[in-house]
Amino acid sequence: AQTVTQSQPEMSVQEAETVTLSCTYDTSESDYYLFWYKQPPSRQMILVIRQEAYKQQNATENRFSVNFQKAAKSFSLKISDSQLGDAAMYFCAYRTAETSGSRLTFGEGTQLTVNP
Amino acid sequence: ETGVTQTPRHLVMGMTNKKSLKCEQHLGHNAMYWYKQSAKKPLELMFVYNFKEQTENNSVPSRFSPECPNSSHLFLHLHTLQPEDSALYLCASSQDPSGIGEQYFGPGTRLTVT
Repeated sequence: AQTVTQSQPEMSVQEAETVTLSCTYDTSESDYYLFWYKQPPSRQMILVIRQEAYKQQNATENRFSVNFQKAAKSFSLKISDSQLGDAAMYFCAYRTAETSGSRLTFGEGTQLTVNP
Repeated sequence: ETGVTQTPRHLVMGMTNKKSLKCEQHLGHNAMYWYKQSAKKPLELMFVYNFKEQTENNSVPSRFSPECPNSSHLFLHLHTLQPEDSALYLCASSQDPSGIGEQYFGPGTRLTVT
């Protein structure tokens, strides 16, 4: 079974600074997808960024980028130029690439605080 | 707004009550999901429906009974719950359960069992 671990329950960053959230996972599969979801206080979870394991290039979405290290099974999220609206709970998630697989396995989350 | 709505947003019920949670997606998706989010625990997948058929039941107690009358609607019927069932229940949908399509989440129902 796959597991996802987020070792940082809480992180804080100054506005306009950069912060990196850590995520590691365990799997025996070679093809899979990884996601970072954001859950702000309003509770609606939204997708921040996703990575396909067969792609070596790290995904980027504006101020959000990942550092995907497949051999190390590491998938960290970097937020550049942090904004107050980035404050939220961030979840790392794993999904198999098998055609029958739709289950997302989530980490425990990292609560990010952005200080003005 | 993700196109997935859930009602009610808050629910308080006694252990002998029967209530239902409703989820509706306006995205034309074919797969729908129920998750349970408890404090300090990862989200737990409860059920998966693909094209109205249940494809996953993650060992959920029978006091939780899902219903999917069509691809746009998903219900979670609750009866004789326990206080430890208090949590945030999230509904999600995706276009194709086997593709890379992301899951879109609703705002959740905060359930308190007294």
